[in-house]
Amino acid sequence: GQQLNQSPQSMFIQEGEDVSMNCTSSSIFNTWLWYKQDPGEGPVLLIALYKAGELTSNGRLTAQFGITRKDSFLNISASIPSDVGIYFCAGFNNAGNMLTFGGGTRLMVKP
Amino acid sequence: DAGVTQSPTHLIKTRGQHVTLRCSPISGHKSVSWYQQVLGQGPQFIFQYYEKEERGRGNFPDRFSARQFPNYSSELNVNALLLGDSALYLCASSLGPQLGPSNYGYTFGSGTRLTVV
Repeated sequence: GQQLNQSPQSMFIQEGEDVSMNCTSSSIFNTWLWYKQDPGEGPVLLIALYKAGELTSNGRLTAQFGITRKDSFLNISASIPSDVGIYFCAGFNNAGNMLTFGGGTRLMVKP
Repeated sequence: DAGVTQSPTHLIKTRGQHVTLRCSPISGHKSVSWYQQVLGQGPQFIFQYYEKEERGRGNFPDRFSARQFPNYSSELNVNALLLGDSALYLCASSLGPQLGPSNYGYTFGSGTRLTVV
């Protein structure tokens, strides 16, 4: 089945630093999503990407949909303590009804 | 407006037992999807239901079943529980069965934490 490889698995950074994480797939996805999950909660949508090459920002977050439709990255600028959590990339199948998730990137921010 | 609500929040069951998890979607949303999230991994798709019909099924054994009611709420049933079924079960609701720029919302609930002992 389709798989998404997400890296790095974890990051421990200083407050104020920029963060970059990425996701690759052996298969093409038509939609890429980035989610954040806090402990004890469900994933919350951060950014959705619908077109190859698309670059989208949401506040301090920026994400891009790769030209090949097999990869995406998420950047967080000037990290703050509340950025702590697990970030997941996810792609929709062609039918648009099933999400495949990556393994997640655990972000830890040192004040 | 209430978000996606799931019950119970936590559950402990014994191997071989049966469990029913419940989900109420956001008001106006007609599609409900179920995901299993094992500790340390990303969620995995189990089912999608739309207008009371199954529209998608992931790679899970027949011990897993679900249904959707006329009010669009949904139940996930798991029979003959195994230790490996211990996970966070997430429900997500959306307006319709497909997601795209015109149908942006795919909202997850906080999940039900199932522990099988």
